[in-house]
Amino acid sequence: DVKVTQSSRYLVKRTGEKVFLECVQDMDHENMFWYRQDPGLGLRLIYFSYDVKMKEKGDIPEGYSVSREKKERFSLILESASTNQTSMYLCASNEGGQRTEAFFGQGTRLTVV
Amino acid sequence: DAKTTQPTSMDCAEGRAANLPCNHSTISGNEYVYWYRQIHSQGPQYIIHGLKNNETNEMASLIITEDRKSSTLILPHATLRDTAVYYCIVRVESNYQLIWGAGTKLIIKP
Repeated sequence: DVKVTQSSRYLVKRTGEKVFLECVQDMDHENMFWYRQDPGLGLRLIYFSYDVKMKEKGDIPEGYSVSREKKERFSLILESASTNQTSMYLCASNEGGQRTEAFFGQGTRLTVV
Repeated sequence: DAKTTQPTSMDCAEGRAANLPCNHSTISGNEYVYWYRQIHSQGPQYIIHGLKNNETNEMASLIITEDRKSSTLILPHATLRDTAVYYCIVRVESNYQLIWGAGTKLIIKP
């Protein structure tokens, strides 16, 4: 089975801290994604990457950056955490090419205080 | 990507078939219909997808109308573990993104 693993299930950080959320997939997938999920707003795409060192902005990239130095790992960085970044963060991956489903991690619930 | 419309919530008795409808009246010829579900406090899980023909796998069946403006996800024998939010998404093959709506909260009752 495809496994997408997020480094933390729950995280509490202080306002202004730099926060790293890590995601690793074990199926050699080309594409990786970071979403945030908030009540009433559904899943919104923050960034995605279709290859090592490549990244594209999603719908809500402000306040975030990403890093993909290795194919299996995609990191989401909050440069200076703010309370409005309190959310559930979900990482996903899929193969490149046609008709491929995305596989999700379990999510990281981040609280910024 | 086309938008989808789903009921906010539905109930189904355990052991019965759960039929979840989705309208996608503005779907284009090259847009696939995908279904995911999200059990509380977990990441979304892929269920099934299709373009024109009906599809079946070990989890569910997907029925797409001939005009492709709507589809139905069928869970043939619902169990309590099928209680989740079910998302219907249409997606262009060349587009990396999945546009998520609010989904249908399916509650399976004993």
